[in-house]
Amino acid sequence: SQQGEEDPQALSIQEGENATMNCSYKTSINNLQWYRQNSGRGLVHLILIRSNEREKHSGRLRVTLDTSKKSSSLLITASRAADTASYFCATDRSGGGADGLTFGKGTHLIIQP
Amino acid sequence: SQTIHQWPATLVQPVGSPLSLECTVEGTSNPNLYWYRQAAGRGLQLLFYSVGIGQISSEVPQNLSASRPQDRQFILSSKKLLLSDSGFYLCAWSLRGPDTQYFGPGTRLTVL
Repeated sequence: SQQGEEDPQALSIQEGENATMNCSYKTSINNLQWYRQNSGRGLVHLILIRSNEREKHSGRLRVTLDTSKKSSSLLITASRAADTASYFCATDRSGGGADGLTFGKGTHLIIQP
Repeated sequence: SQTIHQWPATLVQPVGSPLSLECTVEGTSNPNLYWYRQAAGRGLQLLFYSVGIGQISSEVPQNLSASRPQDRQFILSSKKLLLSDSGFYLCAWSLRGPDTQYFGPGTRLTVL
């Protein structure tokens, strides 16, 4: 079943602007992760935020997590053409076992030069 | 450093033919291994995961199977492919279940 749902499904902005993507999920989690996928390629891990964290930064990335609302946001500041990709949020299952991640359908981000 | 390989990169197979996709991991021991499938324009669906040699857990009923004959080798198979098996197959590994997963480059499978 679908756990994470990204919003918007597609986003087109000008280079230099900030891009914000949101993710909602349904069940309790231990952590939430964001991944990037360039067209036709594998996924690249961007950032992991644990359920007891509210905000995390990595370079131009800022992730927030609101467990009361079961939502997360990914902010990319000062966007670049190379940021064009699909972005997925992924959640574990609260049991914390080895049984994989549940991914949303992704946000397709296009950075216009 | 750790690397993950998948092959083949692309594959076109007729309906009813068998399938074998291979994934290998280098530079780590006893990883958790995962197979995902991504349909066009969609998110990833977990198919199988494995916490050790010979230990396979299946997430969805289907005509696919997985095997882990060696610690760092994960194989996805089918005896008879269906049209609906077309998609992008991704292998991933992690050290601990709910933590960061590292993905291979994927195999694009087209069943005709």
